[in-house]
Amino acid sequence: SQTIHQWPATLVQPVGSPLSLECTVEGTSNPNLYWYRQAAGRGLQLLFYSVGIGQISSEVPQNLSASRPQDRQFILSSKKLLLSDSGFYLCACQGGTEAFFGQGTRLTVV
Amino acid sequence: AQSVSQHNHHVILSEAASLELGCNYSYGGTVNLFWYVQYPGQHLQLLLKYFSGDPLVKGIKGFEAEFIKSKFSFNLRKPSVQWSDTAEYFCAVNGGSQGNLIFGKGTKLSVKP
Repeated sequence: SQTIHQWPATLVQPVGSPLSLECTVEGTSNPNLYWYRQAAGRGLQLLFYSVGIGQISSEVPQNLSASRPQDRQFILSSKKLLLSDSGFYLCACQGGTEAFFGQGTRLTVV
Repeated sequence: AQSVSQHNHHVILSEAASLELGCNYSYGGTVNLFWYVQYPGQHLQLLLKYFSGDPLVKGIKGFEAEFIKSKFSFNLRKPSVQWSDTAEYFCAVNGGSQGNLIFGKGTKLSVKP
């Protein structure tokens, strides 16, 4: 089955600083990849999804962007973080109707 | 729009108590339903899933869930919880516009030894 590697596990960044979260996938090829965010007291919200290299779609307007430079690599970025970007970010790979998740990154913007 | 509601934000139980976590969904199509669990410091992992057939689904670690179509519910149960069940539990349904799962807000379970 798929394994999702996501890092770092925790991150504290000042407002206005850049962000780069990386996710890599093992055990499958050409996966559908997703970035989710869980803000405090809210469910997992889909931010971006990708069906292939260079193909990114965004679900919600926001301060973040995503890229997929390789088949099994998915990156979440920001040029300038906002306080509202704080949350728990999860990378996921969907195989059929089941999703597999990375360990998540807890981002605190201060 | 599709949605998933989990009724309890935080549940606190003593060991050996019985557990039931509520989950209701709104989705007009054929549903696939999931419960995911996240133990402290670990990644989200699948607890159990329902695709079709017997509406009573058994998962790992003694958990089970019952799909009641008429109530749009998929409640998670365990007869006797253990301290190691302390975790956050997420209910999810297929139905996102991009093939993604739609998650509830999660229920944090704390089990007192």
